[in-house]
Amino acid sequence: AQKITQTQPGMFVQEKEAVTLDCTYDTSDQSYGLFWYKQPSSGEMIFLIYQGSYDEQNATEGRYSLNFQKARKSANLVISASQLGDSAMYFCAMREGSGFGNEKLTFGTGTRLTIIP
Amino acid sequence: AAGVIQSPRHLIKEKRETATLKCYPIPRHDTVYWYQQGPGQDPQFLISFYEKMQSDKGSIPDRFSAQQFSDYHSELNMSSLELGDSALYFCASSSRRTGVNTEAFFGQGTRLTVV
Repeated sequence: AQKITQTQPGMFVQEKEAVTLDCTYDTSDQSYGLFWYKQPSSGEMIFLIYQGSYDEQNATEGRYSLNFQKARKSANLVISASQLGDSAMYFCAMREGSGFGNEKLTFGTGTRLTIIP
Repeated sequence: AAGVIQSPRHLIKEKRETATLKCYPIPRHDTVYWYQQGPGQDPQFLISFYEKMQSDKGSIPDRFSAQQFSDYHSELNMSSLELGDSALYFCASSSRRTGVNTEAFFGQGTRLTVV
């Protein structure tokens, strides 16, 4: 089974609207971390936001927030007031384990977000 | 703030040649990871090092080897290059010293083209 599933290959959103990018995950670990990255056409991988499995509050970083629903194993990224510069590929990723051993990230297949002026 | 530095940014090699990619982690980061991202693909984990020792291994071909040096920089050596090795290679770094790993910062990547 896929560990990270992103079901939206592509999305088109009007500028200034909010957008939700879906991510579901599969793990039997109690301790894990969920990450979102932005990859513009230039190729770099930009860290956006992190949510730990024991964090009770949803993570927020500026215009980014993570809608974490542990029972449903979902970690959707919400971008408020989208901007043209938000057009990029977005990857959801998971780190399983406590962070002191198996720390590699497993990525989803990504969602290509296009912001329309 | 200092970021993860990768060199070179772009590399063109012929089949059967060798390539060496370098990664300089964020200062005081003790863990380095290598990922390979093929065209239109998600990044795939290759190998990681903690305190200069290999800590985990993913789908890294036997033709590839890597190490982490005393100054924590890492090198990925790729031999007998094949067309299918053309990809974006990322290095990421993090620190275990600060506690639970909540961050993993990536370098800008090395785009390897094998012709």
